[in-house]
Amino acid sequence: DGGITQSPKYLFRKEGQNVTLSCEQNLNHDAMYWYRQDPGQGLRLIYYSQIVNDFQKGDIAEGYSVSREKKESFPLTVTSAQKNPTAFYLCASSSREGPTGELFFGEGSRLTVL
Amino acid sequence: AQKITQTQPGMFVQEKEAVTLDCTYDTSDQSYGLFWYKQPSSGEMIFLIYQGSYDEQNATEGRYSLNFQKARKSANLVISASQLGDSAMYFCAMRRPISSGSARQLTFGSGTQLTVLP
Repeated sequence: DGGITQSPKYLFRKEGQNVTLSCEQNLNHDAMYWYRQDPGQGLRLIYYSQIVNDFQKGDIAEGYSVSREKKESFPLTVTSAQKNPTAFYLCASSSREGPTGELFFGEGSRLTVL
Repeated sequence: AQKITQTQPGMFVQEKEAVTLDCTYDTSDQSYGLFWYKQPSSGEMIFLIYQGSYDEQNATEGRYSLNFQKARKSANLVISASQLGDSAMYFCAMRRPISSGSARQLTFGSGTQLTVLP
């Protein structure tokens, strides 16, 4: 089945540590995205990538980094510079084809900083 | 800048009844797209329905319909014949104007938690 796989589902981190969240898609989509969700709030865009080896900052990129070395993969690193990293992280992808261009989402990764 | 406003943090509806979830938006763009997503307690985001700004008819997908009032900048989601499985968080979102690239960034509202009562 085609879809987006995020791992790990739950992650605990000590303050000062970097952590990398994995996102893999087999939908052959060009674009991929990372969103952050805090309780009672909507999703906020961290980074997005339109093509391999290219990515752009979203609205809240500070303290995060990404890479796009393969079309299928778009990992997100939460660095120690991120002041409040505890959140739910959602990865998504979209196709340039079709009229709607809706985003397809993974099941998310919940990061807790201890 | 785009903004999506969902003013109902929580809504309750009786099973088999219809419910309307409100969404208003603010944009200076002429061309845009509006989406509704459902987020169950498992966390994944499920695409429900789409409305393009130039679509003359309101979008419908099964029990979901979108009441699009362009002049009022509202895009309310109507769920008919509610089911217990409809209990979830619902998000309204707007797509930023499509650039020359492939990205389709969305701006999301804060969501409405819908609870369907038996």
